This record gives sequence, structure tokens and C-alpha cells, in this order.
Amino acid sequence: DGGITQSPKYLFRKEGQNVTLSCEQNLNHDAMYWYRQDPGQGLRLIYYSQIVNDFQKGDIAEGYSVSREKKESFPLTVTSAQKNPTAFYLCASSLTSGGLSEQYFGPGTRLTVT
Amino acid sequence: AQKVTQAQTEISVVEKEDVTLDCVYETRDTTYYLFWYKQPPSGELVFLIRRNSFDEQNEISGRYSWNFQKSTSSFNFTITASQVVDSAVYFCALSVEDSGAGSYQLTFGKGTKLSVIP
Repeated sequence: DGGITQSPKYLFRKEGQNVTLSCEQNLNHDAMYWYRQDPGQGLRLIYYSQIVNDFQKGDIAEGYSVSREKKESFPLTVTSAQKNPTAFYLCASSLTSGGLSEQYFGPGTRLTVT
Repeated sequence: AQKVTQAQTEISVVEKEDVTLDCVYETRDTTYYLFWYKQPPSGELVFLIRRNSFDEQNEISGRYSWNFQKSTSSFNFTITASQVVDSAVYFCALSVEDSGAGSYQLTFGKGTKLSVIP
């Protein structure tokens, strides 16, 4: 089955620790994205990548970092510099980064930092 | 800057009623794309429809229909004869080109939570 995998579904960390969220896709999509969702809010773009070894900041990149060493994988690191990291994180991919390509989403990771 | 407004935060309907979810967007771009996504309680967003700015034809897919009106910058979504399985958060999103990066970015509304009561 083709799709996007995010693991784990729930993640708990202590304040001050970096944490890496996994995102893998087997759809052969070029573009990948990370979004953050807070209660009652829409999705906000953290980072996106159009191709391997390339990525750009989204609207709320501060306190986050990413890498794109393989086409299938786009991990997100939430660093200790992120002031309010508790949120629901969604990874997505699309065939290209063009407007016609709809984004397909993973099941999300709910991160709780205490 | 782009903006998507979904004025209805929460809607409750009784099963079999029709319901319309409103979406109003703002952009200065002449080429753009509009989307609707469904987010069931499981959390994963499911793509429902895409429309480009040059195609104002309304679309019907089963019990779902979409009304795109450029004159009012609206892209409303109607569910006919609602069912309990339609209960979810629905997001409207606008995609325009990021001129610096040559890619398209999605701007989401805050979503409308639909509850269908049996």
C-alpha cells in the first residue's frame, strides 16, 4: 500500500530535549512538507522540500530543523529553541510542488513536551 | 498575503439534513488553486477536491457539491443528506505560487467542525 508513515503516533519529551519526528513516503513524490496544528487552528507550514537535498522555511520555521537526504524521508527535529513545541505535527507529500498537485497527509504525531 | 476564512467554527446538524460549509479566500494572484480537506477524528487529512482559478464550474460528487464564485471569492462546500460518518473537521485551503521558490504553498483556513447527530 502506498502512503505516508509517521511515527510514533504519540511522543512525550521533557523540556530542553531535542526530538525527531519521522516521516516516510513510498509514493515516489518529489515534494514533502511539515505542518503544525494547534487546537482550533488550521495547519501552519514549518518546512518544505521540493527535491532531495533541498528544503525551504515555511511560515513558522524557528526552533525546527529538517533534512532531506533521501526522496522517501523527511524527518523533522523539534529543538529546545522551540518555545511552544506541544502540538500535532502532520507530514505531507505531493507529486510536485506545483499548484495542481494535491498533498497527501500522514496520520500525524502528537508531541507533548512537559 | 493570502488568507482563508472559514467563519463557521462548529456546526451541528441532524442526520439527513443538508449542510453548507463556507469558505472565503483572499489573494492578489490571478492563478491559484482551492482545496477542501476532511480531517476525521483519527487526524489524517483526506483530500476532497481541487479547483483552479480559471474553472468556475460547480462540481458534484455523490452527496458532496462545491460552489466556486470568483465574484465573491468564495468556495463553499455542501453535503446533502448528511450522515454520521461525515462528522469531521473540514478545511478549506488556498494554493498560490511562492515567487521566490517557484513552488506553490497551501494556506489553510481554521476549519469547521461538523457534527452530524443521529
